Amino acid sequence: DAKTTQPTSMDCAEGRAANLPCNHSTISGNEYVYWYRQIHSQGPQYIIHGLKNNETNEMASLIITEDRKSSTLILPHATLRDTAVYYCIVRVAEAPSGGYNKLIFGAGTRLAVHP
Amino acid sequence: DAGVIQSPRHEVTEMGQEVTLRCKPISGHDYLFWYRQTMMRGLELLIYFNNNVPIDDSGMPEDRFSAKMPNASFSTLKIQPSEPRDSAVYFCASSLNYGYTFGSGTRLTVV
Repeated sequence: DAKTTQPTSMDCAEGRAANLPCNHSTISGNEYVYWYRQIHSQGPQYIIHGLKNNETNEMASLIITEDRKSSTLILPHATLRDTAVYYCIVRVAEAPSGGYNKLIFGAGTRLAVHP
Repeated sequence: DAGVIQSPRHEVTEMGQEVTLRCKPISGHDYLFWYRQTMMRGLELLIYFNNNVPIDDSGMPEDRFSAKMPNASFSTLKIQPSEPRDSAVYFCASSLNYGYTFGSGTRLTVV
């Protein structure tokens, strides 16, 4: 699976949009971009994933550049409860299949939302 | 749905003792994963199962670690004998489609 690069930490004011970048310049055509987050002392939580098109769900939006070499996770109105470590992961396969189901976590971005 | 259930939440044991961590995946999920998290190494995938069969155990650190999944609703991770460097938070996760659901973890301290 391709390697990802994320900033170590970011700050965001409560109520503002949090834009978390991720570089994945070696991504292959069949690799998806996944985002998870881990709130202190809890297990990681799935946020969103995508292949080429931008995606949106109740938690966030995912913007993938046309060349797919980078993406941005957007939390439209950050709250204090969004303070967490956010992981960007690139991985073959959308659904579990064969030996390509591993989800490998990097160091992530530590997002601090402040009042 | 109660989610992925792990027990115990906290475990303190003495070096050399056997430790067993337990996981109940979400009903209907056919993949189960064991991860370990430490400050130094972050989240590491230890082993995963598909339909109760171990698929990849390349992340298991040593022979002291073993994992089983006797049925679709239960899995164990055993450390025997335990060592202080095994102190970590151990997470279990299960998956059916694209998203993994993680449990709350077991914080293991080996003294």
